Amino acid sequence: EAQVTQNPRYLITVTGKKLTVTCSQNMNHEYMSWYRQDPGLGLRQIYYSMNVEVTDKGDVPEGYKVSRKEKRNFPLILESPSPNQTSLYFCASSLGGWYNEQFFGPGTRLTVL
Amino acid sequence: KNEVEQSPQNLTAQEGEFITINCSYSVGISALHWLQQHPGGGIVSLFMLSSGKKKHGRLIATINIQEKHSSLHITASHPRDSAVYICAVREYGNKLVFGAGTILRVKS
Repeated sequence: EAQVTQNPRYLITVTGKKLTVTCSQNMNHEYMSWYRQDPGLGLRQIYYSMNVEVTDKGDVPEGYKVSRKEKRNFPLILESPSPNQTSLYFCASSLGGWYNEQFFGPGTRLTVL
Repeated sequence: KNEVEQSPQNLTAQEGEFITINCSYSVGISALHWLQQHPGGGIVSLFMLSSGKKKHGRLIATINIQEKHSSLHITASHPRDSAVYICAVREYGNKLVFGAGTILRVKS
């Protein structure tokens, strides 16, 4: 089944404790991206990747890191999480950017205490 | 003023009604997407438009590039259409901007 998977789905952590949210797709898509969704602010793009080893910042990259060492995986790294990073996070992929249908992961609800 | 404005913010309809959700944007774009977010949180891509009109089942999406406006129509609405509908535009230069979403509730 074609899908985008994210892990974990739910995470409660404390300020400053490094964490990684994994994202994996099995559709051989070149384009992958991360978004956060907050009440009243909607979806905002954090980082995106056009292909392996090619990443770029979105609208709200501060406090996040990403890497794209393999085509299928695009992990989101929070080196020192803070409470303002409490949010719902989505990973998405597509064949070639936003000219193609986007496939979204199920979301990761992160709480930073 | 937000770059992408959706209206209405909230919409309640009776089953069977024809529904229209509007999206207006203020910048030049290369593509526009309509997304559906289910009550459980999952997001599904409904349409990608760069011109004209697309139809999929009971859903129709149109875009008028000159007027910077897009509409999403749902014919013969059903309670399972209850969701948040989000308009997203890709500006020239790869920037993505999302609308705040329209919360749709269809009552039986």
